[in-house]
Amino acid sequence: SQQGEEDPQALSIQEGENATMNCSYKTSINNLQWYRQNSGRGLVHLILIRSNEREKHSGRLRVTLDTSKKSSSLLITASRAADTASYFCARLTSYGKLTFGQGTILTVHP
Amino acid sequence: EADIYQTPRYLVIGTGKKITLECSQTMGHDKMYWYQQDPGMELHLIHYSYGVNSTEKGDLSSESTVSRIRTEHFPLTLESARPSHTSQYLCASSDMGVGETQYFGPGTRLLVL
Repeated sequence: SQQGEEDPQALSIQEGENATMNCSYKTSINNLQWYRQNSGRGLVHLILIRSNEREKHSGRLRVTLDTSKKSSSLLITASRAADTASYFCARLTSYGKLTFGQGTILTVHP
Repeated sequence: EADIYQTPRYLVIGTGKKITLECSQTMGHDKMYWYQQDPGMELHLIHYSYGVNSTEKGDLSSESTVSRIRTEHFPLTLESARPSHTSQYLCASSDMGVGETQYFGPGTRLLVL
C-alpha cells in the first residue's frame, strides 16, 4: 500500500493481556495519530504523537514513534473486553491531510 | 462525545436516485472531511474543505459532490446513485492548527440496490 502498513491485521487476546499494534509509513510526517473504531461506527481519536516525540502515554495506552524507521506502535496494557475494536494509525502530512492505515482488528476475550 | 452529526445513519435506495448525506458540526471547526470506508477496510478521503466556499477533491476519486455554504454544514450529494456507491461514508471535522485531530460523526451506511 502506498499509505503504509499496519500489523497485525487481526489480533485476538485474553482480558488482562497486553495488545501491541504496529504501523509503518513511507513519507515524512508532522504527527501520527491513533484512532479506534467500534463496529463500523465513527472513529474516536485516542492519542497523537508529534514527529519530534519518541513516546507518549495516555492511561493504558502507550505510543512510540521511530521516525528513522518510519514506524509507530500502540500498546494497550491490561486489555479489557471493551477494548475490542479496530485500531487505525493516521499520518498527518505537510499538506495537512490525514492518511489512514488499513487498521488492526483487536478482539479481547473475557 | 464529539458534536458532529450525520443523517441518515442508514440508507437503502434504488439505482438512479439522487441522494444527499448530511453532516453538521457544532464545534465551529473550519476544516471538514468526507471519507469512504468499505467494511473492514481503510478510510479513503474523498472530499475536504478548509472553510466556507472551499471544497477540494480527496485522494480517492468520487462521483459525489460537496458544498460548504455554512461553517457547520458539509453535505455530500450523489446525483445518480449506483450499486458501486454502496459503502460507509464518514464525516469529520478538525480545528485549524491544533494538531489536526479529527472528530468523526457516526457515519452513514449506504446501500444502493
